[in-house]
Amino acid sequence: EAGVTQFPSHSVIEKGQTVTLRCDPISGHDNLYWYRRVMGKEIKFLLHFVKESKQDESGMPNNRFLAERTGGTYSTLKVQPAELEDSGVYFCASSPVAVESSYNEQFFGPGTRLTVL
Amino acid sequence: KNEVEQSPQNLTAQEGEFITINCSYSVGISALHWLQQHPGGGIVSLFMLSSGKKKHGRLIATINIQEKHSSLHITASHPRDSAVYICAVRSRSNYQLIWGAGTKLIIKP
Repeated sequence: EAGVTQFPSHSVIEKGQTVTLRCDPISGHDNLYWYRRVMGKEIKFLLHFVKESKQDESGMPNNRFLAERTGGTYSTLKVQPAELEDSGVYFCASSPVAVESSYNEQFFGPGTRLTVL
Repeated sequence: KNEVEQSPQNLTAQEGEFITINCSYSVGISALHWLQQHPGGGIVSLFMLSSGKKKHGRLIATINIQEKHSSLHITASHPRDSAVYICAVRSRSNYQLIWGAGTKLIIKP
């Protein structure tokens, strides 16, 4: 069974440009999470989808970030316009159970390294 | 002060040594994760635990809920264990994962 995949693995863009990151969760997983690690900081939660609905987007830094999960399958995270401080590694994770519980293990993708010049 | 603190930040050891990485947290949690990240690689979940102890191969994870502390142990360490080990706790209030800064482990042959 394929794991969580992310595309691209690395993106280099200029300040002001737009970038769209994609995450394909494990098939059948209702929960999809986005996290990011910016330089020198801890990984931070961005948002959580349950199927196509945003369950929790309290970690989204500002309105330059837009996440979607149309159809409840793959998700995209768009940054528009990108700023220098957006550089970092963006991770996606998925977990199977629709109802949150203590035992809902998350499976992580390889991450997308975003560099904004 | 971060809600999840790991120590040490960096650890270099010789092959075969017993390794301990510590994690302390200050929030109410429903579970604690230990994860591994190799250089240039993605994140792999090693353990998820909410009480007691779990063992997988040479890795052992323990948690003391009363003391809000967890440890990850590696027995008979090997250079391939070199990676960043991250502790993350699942908040009881909103189920978000709160992450520690990670411990960079280097095992020398």
